Amino acid sequence: SQQGEEDPQALSIQEGENATMNCSYKTSINNLQWYRQNSGRGLVHLILIRSNEREKHSGRLRVTLDTSKKSSSLLITASRAADTASYFCATDAGNQFYFGTGTSLTVIP
Amino acid sequence: SQTIHQWPATLVQPVGSPLSLECTVEGTSNPNLYWYRQAAGRGLQLLFYSVGIGQISSEVPQNLSASRPQDRQFILSSKKLLLSDSGFYLCACTQGIGDEQYFGPGTRLTVT
Repeated sequence: SQQGEEDPQALSIQEGENATMNCSYKTSINNLQWYRQNSGRGLVHLILIRSNEREKHSGRLRVTLDTSKKSSSLLITASRAADTASYFCATDAGNQFYFGTGTSLTVIP
Repeated sequence: SQTIHQWPATLVQPVGSPLSLECTVEGTSNPNLYWYRQAAGRGLQLLFYSVGIGQISSEVPQNLSASRPQDRQFILSSKKLLLSDSGFYLCACTQGIGDEQYFGPGTRLTVT
């Protein structure tokens, strides 16, 4: 299956620290996207990185993509309590998207 | 930008009863539409996707079905619900291949 896998499954940090989450996948992709989900809510799109890109920034978010290792990382800098959520990576194969099981991030005030 | 509406927000149904979940999209035309299911504490499982009216692709064989009667309407149905159908159902859309995917607020279904 092409499903992504996030690592770690859970992460707890102090407010102000950086949080890093990793995603690995199995087959070639067109792009990789990261999403945030607050408890019981829909997913919010964070950032999209295409297969020919290596790094992308958006505010406090930094995403890297290594297609040779089939992996991506999401870095959240200067974390805030409001960043507490689950984070998912999703890989796409044409019209289909495949999501990992997510990383649960807790930011302690 | 797109806005995705889903209803109902929550639903409790007995085993064996029918199901109809509706998703509508505003702010775009001819989107690709998706239905996902998320079990508690798990990732998203792609159930169906549609690239146009009447065009449905199924990812997982099950007792659910999907229909797209209008360009911006996507319906998830079942004739007889199973306990295993409980979960959080999310509708999503993209404008095309390789585009960002946007999600609705979800419907939480509990089958009792």
